[in-house]
Amino acid sequence: DVKVTQSSRYLVKRTGEKVFLECVQDMDHENMFWYRQDPGLGLRLIYFSYDVKMKEKGDIPEGYSVSREKKERFSLILESASTNQTSMYLCATLPREEAYNEQFFGPGTRLTVL
Amino acid sequence: SQQGEEDPQALSIQEGENATMNCSYKTSINNLQWYRQNSGRGLVHLILIRSNEREKHSGRLRVTLDTSKKSSSLLITASRAADTASYFCATDRTSGSRLTFGEGTQLTVNP
Repeated sequence: DVKVTQSSRYLVKRTGEKVFLECVQDMDHENMFWYRQDPGLGLRLIYFSYDVKMKEKGDIPEGYSVSREKKERFSLILESASTNQTSMYLCATLPREEAYNEQFFGPGTRLTVL
Repeated sequence: SQQGEEDPQALSIQEGENATMNCSYKTSINNLQWYRQNSGRGLVHLILIRSNEREKHSGRLRVTLDTSKKSSSLLITASRAADTASYFCATDRTSGSRLTFGEGTQLTVNP
């Protein structure tokens, strides 16, 4: 079974802090994604990565950056957290083979910025 | 504009009844997927239907796709209290690529 883990289930930070959200997968998938989920807005893609050291902006990258130094780990960084970044953050993975399109999600990190 | 919009936003039914959720989208797609999310958890993939397919079954799930109307429906038959969750459709416009999710339907199955 694919396992996608996220470093924290719940996180509380203060405005202006630098925040790191970690995602680790054990299935050697090339693609990894970061989403945020807000009521009434569904899931929105922040950043994704097709391979190590590769990253591409999603639909709402402002205020975020990412790092993919190793294939199994994809980090989301909030350079200076703001209250409007309070949200549920979901990481997902996807193998490169085109016949297999389903994404595998981690359990999510609920971030509160005070 | 939102690609992938579900309706209804919320649905409450009794155990044993069927639940139908609909999804509409705006642009052409490669495939459409349905995911389920239990409260406060990550999403779990349920079923994928490709653009050249019209209907697909998996256990108690039945998915239809009408590309002319740009719409899909998810039917859960003989619902159970454990089916209570949020259900999302997601469209994949290019093969093996990023997905665009709808806002979800919150299904409550009352025992």
